[in-house]
Amino acid sequence: DAGITQSPRHKVTETGTPVTLRCHQTENHRYMYWYRQDPGHGLRLIHYSYGVKDTDKGEVSDGYSVSRSKTEDFLLTLESATSSQTSVYFCAISKGGSQANEQFFGPGTRLTVL
Amino acid sequence: DAKTTQPPSMDCAEGRAANLPCNHSTISGNEYVYWYRQIHSQGPQYIIHGLKNNETNEMASLIITEDRKSSTLILPHATLRDTAVYYCIVRVEGTGGFKTIFGAGTRLFVKA
Repeated sequence: DAGITQSPRHKVTETGTPVTLRCHQTENHRYMYWYRQDPGHGLRLIHYSYGVKDTDKGEVSDGYSVSRSKTEDFLLTLESATSSQTSVYFCAISKGGSQANEQFFGPGTRLTVL
Repeated sequence: DAKTTQPPSMDCAEGRAANLPCNHSTISGNEYVYWYRQIHSQGPQYIIHGLKNNETNEMASLIITEDRKSSTLILPHATLRDTAVYYCIVRVEGTGGFKTIFGAGTRLFVKA
């Protein structure tokens, strides 16, 4: 499982509140990713990181920000949560950024915005 | 944008081979094809990947056509535990490396 943990695993919050999800890895891999999964959409990439303080946008980055101040942690922040951000969020890591490196996924965080 | 298309669902009898097709007609010469699967609400699990040669590992085989525009994932002896959503993916290049864009996948039902 590549030593990936996500916290919290479940969260219920109200519209307009800030929310931060944490992804933690224990193997010092360079690449980390945040996805959301909604019925009928598979997984959609939100943001990814290719090093400390190096990030790039994915398919659905609006309304989300990320930070990576150290190798092992990648934080996803919803500055002002909306009901459309109710989803399951998965973090993933990759040992390298090249074509030939597979990703390993965390257990997911189920977020409900009321 | 996902660069692959897959059928939304398929059935397979337990013990038989499951053949899952994927179309990736716009794939570039240096892009790999990856397969993942997701069981229930767990995180996706890596299965196999390839560039142009056929590949086999302990989980599955990957057959890529000569023109690389399509591929087939083969589970040689499907079991009930193989019931899952299977994703065929081509990674796209971003600012700092390659990022994975998932489509909706194929929901495989293995029946007893």
